[in-house]
Amino acid sequence: EAGVAQSPRYKIIEKRQSVAFWCNPISGHATLYWYQQILGQGPKLLIQFQNNGVVDDSQLPKDRFSAERLKGVDSTLKIQPAKLEDSAVYLCASSHTVNTEAFFGQGTRLTVV
Amino acid sequence: DQQVKQNSPSLSVQEGRISILNCDYTNSMFDYFLWYKKYPAEGPTFLISISSIKDKNEDGRFTVFLNKSAKHLSLHIVPSQPGDSAVYFCAASARYNNDMRFGAGTRLTVKP
Repeated sequence: EAGVAQSPRYKIIEKRQSVAFWCNPISGHATLYWYQQILGQGPKLLIQFQNNGVVDDSQLPKDRFSAERLKGVDSTLKIQPAKLEDSAVYLCASSHTVNTEAFFGQGTRLTVV
Repeated sequence: DQQVKQNSPSLSVQEGRISILNCDYTNSMFDYFLWYKKYPAEGPTFLISISSIKDKNEDGRFTVFLNKSAKHLSLHIVPSQPGDSAVYFCAASARYNNDMRFGAGTRLTVKP
């Protein structure tokens, strides 16, 4: 079974530029999560999809972050414009159903300079 | 939003001894709890979980204990091995929305 795929692995951009991350979850997984992990902290939930609908985006900075899940499968997370404090690892995870373990991708390390 | 707390940023134990990692939560709606292990430059990997209907779940060297009244769970690793050295994250979710929240992590170092 293929795991969660994320791209790119690394990205360096200047502040005020835009950036997009892509995630392909495990086939058949209805739930998809995007997390932001700042160095030394635990993953912070940004947004959760159930199929292609948003379940929770309460911690997503909606003035600059957006996310979509196309046809309930792949997902993209966009930041526009980026700020220095957005430097972090962005993790995508998926799970089959409620109250089951989530599987993580390797993450995208974003550096904003 | 500190619904899940791991108050010990680091733990060091000797190989062969027991490692005990602790986690506290505040949201009484959480009914499913997980532990993840993370190596550098990799995403977290699932280790073990426990449902709120249980107070203990065991998988080989790993055991998770849940104390619902205290809103506390712990991960026991016995015996600890150098390969267990990693950052361990506690996570919790609620059935009604499957919203999974993580603690800040505990870095475990197992010394040979």
